[in-house]
Amino acid sequence: AQTVTQSQPEMSVQEAETVTLSCTYDTSENNYYLFWYKQPPSRQMILVIRQEAYKQQNATENRFSVNFQKAAKSFSLKISDSQLGDTAMYFCALHTGTASKLTFGTGTRLQVTL
Amino acid sequence: NAGVTQTPKFQVLKTGQSMTLQCAQDMNHNSMYWYRQDPGMGLRLIYYSASEGTTDKGEVPNGYNVSRLNKREFSLRLESAAPSQTSVYFCASSERAEAFFGQGTRLTVV
Repeated sequence: AQTVTQSQPEMSVQEAETVTLSCTYDTSENNYYLFWYKQPPSRQMILVIRQEAYKQQNATENRFSVNFQKAAKSFSLKISDSQLGDTAMYFCALHTGTASKLTFGTGTRLQVTL
Repeated sequence: NAGVTQTPKFQVLKTGQSMTLQCAQDMNHNSMYWYRQDPGMGLRLIYYSASEGTTDKGEVPNGYNVSRLNKREFSLRLESAAPSQTSVYFCASSERAEAFFGQGTRLTVV
């Protein structure tokens, strides 16, 4: 079985500040991928960042970066210089290569304030 | 580029009615998924198909059936709708793990 846990239902950050969203996961697979998706009020699912488990280097995409701790099965998302447009639900997701199964966490609602 | 197309976008059903949600992708992806999204519950996997001709149960398969008609299409059927199946349903397809989503179907069962 594979699970994804997001323990922060809601978070708030001021514009231009930095915020970190937490995610832990569990899988018995060695070959897997981790993702953060953003869902704004439009309901569209948008890929923010991805991390291959075999890569030790943490992924970065502009203002978004991850802290991937493989031994601890932890995968947090850091958003730097937060913008009003970052307000959304953020989902952590785990894809296991063998079964091609994609599992999501329960999400963190992020509010960026002035 | 159509990507992943779901139909319908909205649907209201009476308890006991049946319906099929349609999903098609034009990206030649092998894997396809059906999720339901409920407040506070995230996206829960109903069924998935790793490749044409195969389907597997996810976390919440009860009350649903699926058909992987061909590589492009993956449909979700509710045989006898119940109020507990009121939700937003998402179809997705993936290649090399990255998933692409449809726009969702808001289903209400009264």
